[in-house]
Amino acid sequence: GESVGLHLPTLSVQEGDNSIINCAYSNSASDYFIWYKQESGKGPQFIIDIRSNMDKRQGQRVTVLLNKTVKHLSLQIAATQPGDSAVYFCAEASNQAGTALIFGKGTTLSVSS
Amino acid sequence: EAQVTQNPRYLITVTGKKLTVTCSQNMNHEYMSWYRQDPGLGLRQIYYSMNVEVTDKGDVPEGYKVSRKEKRNFPLILESPSPNQTSLYFCASSPWTAYNEQFFGPGTRLTVL
Repeated sequence: GESVGLHLPTLSVQEGDNSIINCAYSNSASDYFIWYKQESGKGPQFIIDIRSNMDKRQGQRVTVLLNKTVKHLSLQIAATQPGDSAVYFCAEASNQAGTALIFGKGTTLSVSS
Repeated sequence: EAQVTQNPRYLITVTGKKLTVTCSQNMNHEYMSWYRQDPGLGLRQIYYSMNVEVTDKGDVPEGYKVSRKEKRNFPLILESPSPNQTSLYFCASSPWTAYNEQFFGPGTRLTVL
């Protein structure tokens, strides 16, 4: 079936660097994308979302970029902090999939100070 | 405080002994969902509910049941648990559909011996 995947299972950065976490999706009918952060021992926490009629959306220190041509989604974190260390999941939804949300397998971000 | 609560947080049981994991939200959300999280597989949706008395299968519904008799509660029922259902389970809710930010509970770690 359709699935959402991430390019790299782990990413290590230095404090203060910018981080980029990538995600490739396979369902061209997906029209809603969302990023979650999961800290150890906790449930996923919403970061930012984007609909398919947009290419870019910015939040506080985070930016999501959507490239529908190559079915690619990325999360950029500016000035990465130790508190950003977590597992990051992208997820997609489409009317084709009903109201299900399909998650990727996650990227572990490690920030060293 | 707006939240999703799950009980129990930890459970060790034996094969075949029926169990229920409760989920409750206090945000008056229409949409509720159950996920299981396994190493290397990310989050997979088990069941979801668009509203009271409306439930639908997600990606991995086999061996699970749910009910939505009240808006705030969405229990997950394992009629005859098996070891392959050992996992970390999350309940989530959102205002309307998967096209909204989902708020996740703290998780229930289930071990079936």
